[in-house]
Amino acid sequence: NAGVTQTPKFRILKIGQSMTLQCTQDMNHNYMYWYRQDPGMGLKLIYYSVGAGITDKGEVPNGYNVSRSTTEDFPLRLELAAPSQTSVYFCASGENTEAFFGQGTRLTVV
Amino acid sequence: KQEVTQIPAALSVPEGENLVLNCSFTDSAIYNLQWFRQDPGKGLTSLLLIQSSQREQTSGRLNASLDKSSGRSTLYIAASQPGDSATYLCAVRPQRGSWGKLQFGAGTQVVVTP
Repeated sequence: NAGVTQTPKFRILKIGQSMTLQCTQDMNHNYMYWYRQDPGMGLKLIYYSVGAGITDKGEVPNGYNVSRSTTEDFPLRLELAAPSQTSVYFCASGENTEAFFGQGTRLTVV
Repeated sequence: KQEVTQIPAALSVPEGENLVLNCSFTDSAIYNLQWFRQDPGKGLTSLLLIQSSQREQTSGRLNASLDKSSGRSTLYIAASQPGDSATYLCAVRPQRGSWGKLQFGAGTQVVVTP
C-alpha cells in the first residue's frame, strides 16, 4: 500500500539547471497537487490536476511546469532553477474530501 | 482571499499536560477542515477531517472542534506524550469549484518534554 510516492528525496541543483520531480499515486485518485513549503511557512499550491490531461495553476506557478498523462503520475518540472526555488516540495492526491501526501523532496539550488 | 492563521507558532509543554492548538480562517465558506501532523524531514500525516456540517471530530486522544461562523478550529491533544512532538498544520478546503485545493496555515511547532 504505497500511497503517494515522490522521488528523489533530496537533490542539489546548480542555478540554471533543470530537473523533474516525480510523483506517483496508486489510489486511483483524480485530483493531484504540488505544494512547496518554505521554512516557517505553510504549504503553497504550485499546480494541480483534476484528471489525466487537465492541469491548472495554483498560487505560485512561476518557474514550474506540470503534465498529467496518466491518472497515476503527476511530474513537476523545474526549468532554469533559481535559488528562490530552494524548498521542500510535496505531492498530494485525493478526492474532494481528503488529501494524502508524499514524503517530500528537499531541493536546494546553489 | 482566504487566510489561515495558527497561533501560537511554537509551544512547549511538560508531558501529561493537555495541548490546545488554534486555527483561524477568514472566509467561513469552507467545505471542510483537515488537521495534519508533520515530523521533521517527513511528509504530512492526516489526523482529523471535519466536514463543514460537523462541530467536532474525535480520534483517540485527539479532538478537533469547528466553529465555522467564527472561523475557528481547535485541536485538543489529551495527556500529551513526548511522541506528540511535531508540527501541527491545519488546512481548509474552500467550497465549490475548488477542486479540493487546500489552504494551509503556517503550523504550530509542539515540543513535549519528559
